[in-house]
Amino acid sequence: EAQVTQNPRYLITVTGKKLTVTCSQNMNHEYMSWYRQDPGLGLRQIYYSMNVEVTDKGDVPEGYKVSRKEKRNFPLILESPSPNQTSLYFCASSFFPNEQFFGPGTRLTVL
Amino acid sequence: KQEVTQIPAALSVPEGENLVLNCSFTDSAIYNLQWFRQDPGKGLTSLLLIQSSQREQTSGRLNASLDKSSGRSTLYIAASQPGDSATYLCAVFNTGANSKLTFGKGITLSVRP
Repeated sequence: EAQVTQNPRYLITVTGKKLTVTCSQNMNHEYMSWYRQDPGLGLRQIYYSMNVEVTDKGDVPEGYKVSRKEKRNFPLILESPSPNQTSLYFCASSFFPNEQFFGPGTRLTVL
Repeated sequence: KQEVTQIPAALSVPEGENLVLNCSFTDSAIYNLQWFRQDPGKGLTSLLLIQSSQREQTSGRLNASLDKSSGRSTLYIAASQPGDSATYLCAVFNTGANSKLTFGKGITLSVRP
């Protein structure tokens, strides 16, 4: 089944404790991206990647890192999480610039 | 900077009504426009994708149109059902240096039995 997977789906952590949210797709898409969704602010792009080893900032990159060492994986790294990073996170992939396929989401709470 | 607007933020209709959801965007330099559905606490499900060269797309009871020159898209839902209750988001894929999706904030639809 063609899909985008994210892990973990739910995470509660404390300020400053490094974490990684994984994203993987099995559709051989070259374009991948991360979004966060917040009430009243909608979905905003954090980072995107046009292909392996090619990444760029979206609208809200501060406090996040990404890497794209393999085509199928695009992990989101929070090196020192803070409470304002509490949010619902989505990973998406596509053949550029076509239909975007979204993962199920990761609900992150930073205490 | 691209801005995508969806008005109203919420809509309540009785079952069986045909309805139109609106989406407007400020920059016509787009590859495409995509409509999504999101159920509470869930992910985004793609409904329809319209390429910038197209005028409309249809899938079942859904029809989406695109007028790129005026910066507008509409999602038409025929014979609405309670199961259509969800938040509907539109997003445009911008061309240019920062190739990304810009989302509207969505319209929360409630279809009353």
